[in-house]
Amino acid sequence: AQSVAQPEDQVNVAEGNPLTVKCTYSVSGNPYLFWYVQYPNRGLQFLLKYITGDNLVKGSYGFEAEFNKSQTSFHLKKPSALVSDSALYFCAVRDGNRDDKIIFGKGTRLHILP
Amino acid sequence: DTGVSQNPRHKITKRGQNVTFRCDPISEHNRLYWYRQTLGQGPEFLTYFQNEAQLEKSRLLSDRFSAERPKGSFSTLEIQRTEQGDSAMYLCASILLRDRRTDTQYFGPGTRLTVL
Repeated sequence: AQSVAQPEDQVNVAEGNPLTVKCTYSVSGNPYLFWYVQYPNRGLQFLLKYITGDNLVKGSYGFEAEFNKSQTSFHLKKPSALVSDSALYFCAVRDGNRDDKIIFGKGTRLHILP
Repeated sequence: DTGVSQNPRHKITKRGQNVTFRCDPISEHNRLYWYRQTLGQGPEFLTYFQNEAQLEKSRLLSDRFSAERPKGSFSTLEIQRTEQGDSAMYLCASILLRDRRTDTQYFGPGTRLTVL
């Protein structure tokens, strides 16, 4: 069965600094990996995904993520943080070899300090 | 296309009452998922439909929970004899599954259930 770990409950970053939100995964087949963002009292918004191809995936709002197969990681990054990036971020994984559901991590709260 | 919609957005009920939530997916999306999200946790899978067929149910979905998608379009999630532990945000998501590479889930705003 697949699983996702987001080791940090909260990440604090000063505005303008680069940010990283960590994610590691476990899946028996080919990993399909996703990042979603959730603002207060809102549903989840899709940011980016890795299915195959280039390990560096670019997504919405200037975010990108790097797939690292050897470390089973898919960390979310942004070169310069904005206060408006403050939100709850979820990493998710699906087994690409199976017609199966997506499993989410417990989330990381990103707090950008002005 | 206005995205995935869910109704109601908020529901407050007394313990023991039945509640029903509705999800309208993006038009022509053939797969629909239900998740439950409690405070401080990520969404937990409950069940999903391929068109009108319910393909999988989580062990979280006790016999008090039932979901339907009768015509392969909108879906309902009913909770009978609600308990305080049912208080959560219930999220719906849909995808157009043409091949496994294109399965980006689009989420609705959720229904927040509070059981008193």
